Amino acid sequence: GEQVEQLPSILRVQERSSASINCTYENSASNYFPWYKQEPGENPKLIIDIRSNMERKQIQGLIVLLDKKAKRFSLHITDTQPADSAMYFCAASGTGANTGKLTFGHGTILRVHP
Amino acid sequence: DPKIIQKPKYLVAVTGSEKILICEQYLGHNAMYWYRQSAKKPLEFMFSYSYQKLMDNQTASSRFQPQSSKKNHLDLQITALKPDDSATYFCASSQGGLVDTQYFGPGTRLLVL
Repeated sequence: GEQVEQLPSILRVQERSSASINCTYENSASNYFPWYKQEPGENPKLIIDIRSNMERKQIQGLIVLLDKKAKRFSLHITDTQPADSAMYFCAASGTGANTGKLTFGHGTILRVHP
Repeated sequence: DPKIIQKPKYLVAVTGSEKILICEQYLGHNAMYWYRQSAKKPLEFMFSYSYQKLMDNQTASSRFQPQSSKKNHLDLQITALKPDDSATYFCASSQGGLVDTQYFGPGTRLLVL
């Protein structure tokens, strides 16, 4: 199976600063790493993902880094805004069985203060 | 227009009863999933289906049974409901392969009294 650890559980930052969330995984066969944002009462929404053939991906102010050797991946939000306040989940998928199972971290509550 | 429909949005049930959670996707996807989210646990994978075939079942109990009558439908039947089953149940889908991006439906919030 797979286990994903996510830290920190709560992150408070000032507006316009950057925020970083880190995740580690156990199964070296995992090859797909999405990040989801979830607002209260809403469904998780994909914000960015990375596959194991890449080390870095950026979409506007979101950057994800993947270190396969260390089995670690991270999300960096640059120039944060209060609208970025939400729960963020990392996940890993694509083990040998390829069943589509996404294993999620426990989530990070991000609070961006004006 | 919502592309993944889950019905009902809210559901209250009594212990021991049976309920069916409905999921339909209009994205043309071939793979569908069920996840559960509760205060105690993060998003937790339950089932995956690809081309209407069960690919993975990670639920410990046979009380949870997925039902796929059409390619774009994956319902979840829960029998002998327990208070611990109270959670939000999310249906998700992906385009083709099982390592494709998964999109989540709006969820069904189940409360078992």
